Amino acid sequence: DAGITQSPRYKITETGRQVTLMCHQTWSHSYMFWYRQDLGHGLRLIYYSAAADITDKGEVPDGYVVSRSKTENFPLTLESATRSQTSVYFCASSDPGQAQGVRTEAFFGQGTRLTVV
Amino acid sequence: QKEVEQDPGPLSVPEGAIVSLNCTYSNSAFQYFMWYRQYSRKGPELLMYTYSSGNKEDGRFTAQVDKSSKYISLFIRDSQPSDSATYLCAMRAGGSYIPTFGRGTSLIVHP
Repeated sequence: DAGITQSPRYKITETGRQVTLMCHQTWSHSYMFWYRQDLGHGLRLIYYSAAADITDKGEVPDGYVVSRSKTENFPLTLESATRSQTSVYFCASSDPGQAQGVRTEAFFGQGTRLTVV
Repeated sequence: QKEVEQDPGPLSVPEGAIVSLNCTYSNSAFQYFMWYRQYSRKGPELLMYTYSSGNKEDGRFTAQVDKSSKYISLFIRDSQPSDSATYLCAMRAGGSYIPTFGRGTSLIVHP
């Protein structure tokens, strides 16, 4: 199916474990983003990528690692999960190559609800 | 102070009411303004998009941007229970493709 998909949708992991959240988009959008959403904080940018092999930190990057070897995939890894990383994680993509309009703005996946115990 | 301020609510209104949702911002470089709607346990979806100042209307929804006051609004006419969701404003500067989001306002439309 076309669009942006995240997996898994739900994940429970233990403190100290490594966990990877997957994001896949079929539009060939150049930009991809990872956000976390927490009550009282709204959406906070963790990392973003402007193209394959180009990534940059957002507002809250500590404890997270990203890679982007292919345009369509942008996995987010928590190297050693902590309870403070319990959150809902959203992946998004956008296509600045389009003429300005709705197509240049971020489209979101359905989210991954991560619980660290 | 955050770059984008948005009252988290909740805002509770009766069905049929006119709803006004607002955001203020501090960065005068912002030129692109968006409203996203997020239903419970879903991802945000783009609802309205406006470039620079002015109004944009789409059905029951109207987005307004006042750059002189650094203030944007979303109006919902004849609100329906199906409009119950969290509404997030977002904005970005020209030449940047990274949006800055408000915290979102929770809207409840009761029958």
